[in-house]
Amino acid sequence: DQQVKQNSPSLSVQEGRISILNCDYTNSMFDYFLWYKKYPAEGPTFLISISSIKDKNEDGRFTVFLNKSAKHLSLHIVPSQPGDSAVYFCAASLALTGNQFYFGTGTSLTVIP
Amino acid sequence: DTGVSQNPRHKITKRGQNVTFRCDPISEHNRLYWYRQTLGQGPEFLTYFQNEAQLEKSRLLSDRFSAERPKGSFSTLEIQRTEQGDSAMYLCASSLSGVTGELFFGEGSRLTVL
Repeated sequence: DQQVKQNSPSLSVQEGRISILNCDYTNSMFDYFLWYKKYPAEGPTFLISISSIKDKNEDGRFTVFLNKSAKHLSLHIVPSQPGDSAVYFCAASLALTGNQFYFGTGTSLTVIP
Repeated sequence: DTGVSQNPRHKITKRGQNVTFRCDPISEHNRLYWYRQTLGQGPEFLTYFQNEAQLEKSRLLSDRFSAERPKGSFSTLEIQRTEQGDSAMYLCASSLSGVTGELFFGEGSRLTVL
């Protein structure tokens, strides 16, 4: 049972434009959410996170929005750069320092120069 | 380099053979995780250690799988009597308990069972 879902397997965006990656979850007990980026032949690397007590967290070009009532989060990248081309996974945890993270299936982002 | 290190990076084996993967976490991290990733899927949790204690195991971890972290430092994941369905990327990650935030992943060990 997939508790974290990324329904768009791929996304293409022009360089300089905004990339919006979406993620939905089913378990209302999740209270900590993360985004990871993965390049081929590398392990996932942490990008940005958000606690359920917030609805927005920003770090440079990356902003994560959380809509708890809709059980939805999104990652905005603006402006998008060719180096952002990677697979993006969202993940959720049952506690702020939880032991188990549930990952979505990933969205492959291509930023076109 | 003080990141998470995994080896071997790639293992090809015949069905029925045993394989072992090793993970060296970031030295000050007391939590260590094993995840499995198959094509088109996200990482799936297998098991988790805090220091040398294995505190949580997924139901994905069948009896053929065993993980150890004998001294609370490196960890091994052994798969006995491999099956073709075991073919996947095995990811190790570490973190520091009491600190909110991310898992630090290694580059993974890819298993191909023929």
